[in-house]
This record gives sequence, C-alpha cells and structure tokens, in this order.
Amino acid sequence: RKEVEQDPGPFNVPEGATVAFNCTYSNSASQSFFWYRQDCRKEPKLLMSVYSSGNEDGRFTAQLNRASQYISLLIRDSKLSDSATYLCVVNILGNQGGKLIFGQGTELSVKP
Amino acid sequence: DVKVTQSSRYLVKRTGEKVFLECVQDMDHENMFWYRQDPGLGLRLIYFSYDVKMKEKGDIPEGYSVSREKKERFSLILESASTNQTSMYLCASSDWGQGGETQYFGPGTRLLVL
Repeated sequence: RKEVEQDPGPFNVPEGATVAFNCTYSNSASQSFFWYRQDCRKEPKLLMSVYSSGNEDGRFTAQLNRASQYISLLIRDSKLSDSATYLCVVNILGNQGGKLIFGQGTELSVKP
Repeated sequence: DVKVTQSSRYLVKRTGEKVFLECVQDMDHENMFWYRQDPGLGLRLIYFSYDVKMKEKGDIPEGYSVSREKKERFSLILESASTNQTSMYLCASSDWGQGGETQYFGPGTRLLVL
C-alpha cells in the first residue's frame, strides 16, 4: 500500500465548478500535511498547509481528519489557471528536516 | 524569495557515464533534498542532507551518491548512468518551521540516458 494515495484523475471540470480532491495516508505518526501544486513541466510549489481545524485561503479549503487519516482539498469557482496537478504531501517525521512523502498527484483540467 | 537553481534543465548522457547534477540554494537553508519524478510514481526521495558533510539515504538511493561540501550546494552523482535513470530530477531545500516544513524546489533537470 502506498504511504500517500490520491486519485490520479484527470478531473475535467468547467469554469466555475467546485471540485474536491481526496487523499489518504497510511502512517498514523504523520505530523504535518500539505497540498502542493505542480504546473505542467514545472516544479512543485506549496499551495497550502493543512491544519486539524481546517483552513481556507480564498477559493481553496483544506481539511484534515486524523482519525480517518484523510486529507481533502476543495476548490470553489474553478478558474482556467487552476489547471495543474495537485500533490498531497505528508511529513512523517516531526523533527529537524522532516521527510516529506508525496502522493502521485491529481490532475485537474478546467475548461472554458 | 527563495531561489533554488539547478545546473542544467536538460541533459543527455550515455550509459556508463558519470553524471553530476548540481543544486544551489540562496536562503541559508539547512536541509536539502534530491528527488526523481516519474509518470505514475510521483516524487521519490533519493538522498537528503540536514547539514554540511551530512547525508541520509532516501527511499531509492541505489545507483546514486551525493555530496554536500558547502551549505548552499548539494550535488547528486550518478556513478554509472543507466537507462532506467532517465527521469526528471528535482532538488529542494527547506528550513524548519512551525507545523512542519515547506520545501522549495528547483526547476528540475530532465535527464535522458541513452
């Protein structure tokens, strides 16, 4: 079983749609959680951290359920510029220089 | 802004060649990482380093070695390149922060081994 699992997609949605990505992780000792975004042929960049209480950044909402070992990302009012691959990332060590484990990524394509 | 640079964007090498991939970061970060990214497999950690002259094996270190002689520079070495090492190689750096860490990636090096 992979340590971090995501639906690879692709998710093809029209502009303005709401889309949700899910991610599960297997290591219950995981300390911190993130969503990264990777544009085609570019490097990954941090989109947002995920906190137990849930957090929102504009059109993006991230949720964490530690009991179910489940992370989600909700994008409201999708824009063409949201087209990218979204990587679910888990830090399995809580100490200096924690090692990040990346999911395969979920591809999103927003169409006009 | 954090800047992570990699020596080459594209590289073509022949089987058996020794290959050096260089990574430099300008934010005085202590931690540096080398990943490879392949379709369907995502990012996989090859080696990482928490300090100068320190290195730790990641998940797939076989066929690779690393060098960290200076804090800002982390080199990945393919001792004898093979065709299964054709991949996108990504370097990242980070510092410790509250709640975990953010890794900053370089633009990547696409390596083709013939």
